[in-house]
Amino acid sequence: ETGVTQTPRHLVMGMTNKKSLKCEQHLGHNAMYWYKQSAKKPLELMFVYSLEERVENNSVPSRFSPECPNSSHLFLHLHTLQPEDSALYLCASSRTEENTDTQYFGPGTRLTVL
Amino acid sequence: GQNIDQPTEMTATEGAIVQINCTYQTSGFNGLFWYQQHAGEAPTFLSYNVLDGLEEKGRFSSFLSRSKGYSYLLLKELQMKDSASYLCAVLDSNYQLIWGAGTKLIIKP
Repeated sequence: ETGVTQTPRHLVMGMTNKKSLKCEQHLGHNAMYWYKQSAKKPLELMFVYSLEERVENNSVPSRFSPECPNSSHLFLHLHTLQPEDSALYLCASSRTEENTDTQYFGPGTRLTVL
Repeated sequence: GQNIDQPTEMTATEGAIVQINCTYQTSGFNGLFWYQQHAGEAPTFLSYNVLDGLEEKGRFSSFLSRSKGYSYLLLKELQMKDSASYLCAVLDSNYQLIWGAGTKLIIKP
């Protein structure tokens, strides 16, 4: 247990569906991240929230929409996804005052888009 | 561009020693991380190096040479549970983590 939880762990959805991924951190951190992990590729940073404000959006398609209602919770809203969006979606958190900025990850949501 | 290189896959024997290399080319450097990721699980933090030299933590050690843009993770007395992917990541000048694709380590009895 890393102190970061994600639900659901597995999700299968059609291209016309709308779903949301949820992440919760119990570490008292003030920054949260969404990553996409595809097989044999580096982790792709999607969004960063620091102190509940979005500070980074790495050219992610608008079919992915993040939401950070408070420093402990992070959502990723999904709509009209494509099959190439199938991947493991990882959430992470960190305390940005620390120079090392070590990120702690949740177990991920395995997403399959049909 | 920024780049992190590490071998795709390595195989080692239980009880032996294995060294996983990582080379990097980034815009600035504010430290290098190693993470372990078992299949279907979260990446977990192993080590952080920002100064040259060797950092030892039990069976795992991590080495850094900033002048060579090079790091390695050394695993001793390998156990079957060490079978996992090992991710190298560099914190660049903007404090953004640049990730390698990971090295899948297979341990054989």
